[in-house]
Amino acid sequence: EDKVVQSPLSLVVHEGDTVTLNCSYEVTNFRSLLWYKQEKKAPTFLFMLTSSGIEKKSGRLSSILDKKELFSILNITATQTGDSAIYLCAVEADNDMRFGAGTRLTVKP
Amino acid sequence: NAGVTQTPKFRVLKTGQSMTLLCAQDMNHEYMYWYRQDPGMGLRLIHYSVGEGTTAKGEVPDGYNVSRLKKQNFLLGLESAAPSQTSVYFCASRVNYNEQFFGPGTRLTVL
Repeated sequence: EDKVVQSPLSLVVHEGDTVTLNCSYEVTNFRSLLWYKQEKKAPTFLFMLTSSGIEKKSGRLSSILDKKELFSILNITATQTGDSAIYLCAVEADNDMRFGAGTRLTVKP
Repeated sequence: NAGVTQTPKFRVLKTGQSMTLLCAQDMNHEYMYWYRQDPGMGLRLIHYSVGEGTTAKGEVPDGYNVSRLKKQNFLLGLESAAPSQTSVYFCASRVNYNEQFFGPGTRLTVL
């Protein structure tokens, strides 16, 4: 059965800290891995990864995929209180899209 | 463009009642999805569609039915609601090999 596992489930840090969020997966016919940020409403897209070893970067956020070891990480540097959210990892296999349980990040001032 | 819209935003049902949730998108996307989100469980896929007239089961399809009669609409039906279906329901759409766009969600409570 396909599964997507995120860790940690929750994380509390202080402003300025760097955090690393993990996503491991076991799926058949992998196509892509996506990261989303969810605040109070619908998830918003961050990154889509399809190739191993190629870092995607947007401001203080970056992500990379390892298709051999079947995982991805999402890094956030110099965290701010506005980064507080649930970060969701999703893996596309065939036409199915499976999500992990999410990591709840809390950034304290 | 309105993007992805969902109707209604909130609903309270009694056990055994039926209802239909409507998802509409104006981006001409082929793929559409229905998810439910419960505390601590991320998003779980209920049903999805890869094009007009097609539907497929996701991870948690029991108790739900769907239809995709028009490309822009994806309907989720509950024939006999149960308290276990209390959840927040999200619809999403995408073109192949791209990210999903999500609707604002429908909060459903079944008493």
